[in-house]
Amino acid sequence: EDQVTQSPEALRLQEGESSSLNCSYTVSGLRGLFWYRQDPGKGPEFLFTLYSAGEEKEKERLKATLTKKESFLHITAPKPEDSATYLCAVLWAGNNRKLIWGLGTSLAVNP
Amino acid sequence: SAVISQKPSRDICQRGTSLTIQCQVDSQVTMMFWYRQQPGQSLTLIATANQGSEATYESGFVIDKFPISRPNLTFSTLTVSNMSPEDSSIYLCSAPRGSSYNEQFFGPGTRLTVL
Repeated sequence: EDQVTQSPEALRLQEGESSSLNCSYTVSGLRGLFWYRQDPGKGPEFLFTLYSAGEEKEKERLKATLTKKESFLHITAPKPEDSATYLCAVLWAGNNRKLIWGLGTSLAVNP
Repeated sequence: SAVISQKPSRDICQRGTSLTIQCQVDSQVTMMFWYRQQPGQSLTLIATANQGSEATYESGFVIDKFPISRPNLTFSTLTVSNMSPEDSSIYLCSAPRGSSYNEQFFGPGTRLTVL
């Protein structure tokens, strides 16, 4: 059973069209949920860490939120430079030394 | 922020050969991590490399196949030994951004193709 599931797999938006990416998890005892961005040909770039339900973090056009079962990455008025794959990963009580990664959402923002 | 470089950026290798990937960090870090990223699969941790001690390997990865060196606090190598086409992947190294070792800086990756 997948422990971290991201949806949709791919998303295409027009510039300025806001949307949300989802990361759901089935592990219990969450120790942290992490969002990364990955551009083609590059390694992931850290964005946010969320630790508890109700927590929110913002950076420019991105806002990450967390509930007890999922996290959303809201993208407000996206620009073409926001095009990337967005990865989430969780750290849970059963294995607090290793992240469990999702497969990512590939976002394309058209001008 | 730390800058991490990897060499080579890509390589095409023959079955049965070995390839050593280098990872250089521009600042001293206690831990370095090696990951594998295969098409259609999630990022997978291979091992954690600490300076002055043996690397810690994750389930499914063994030292004979993926020997790791960590000679100092800014450098590490990963060797992919006796390669097969199944080893074709992107290999990434990373290091912690600060006290939380799950917030990581990543290198650009090494794209390996095994024929």
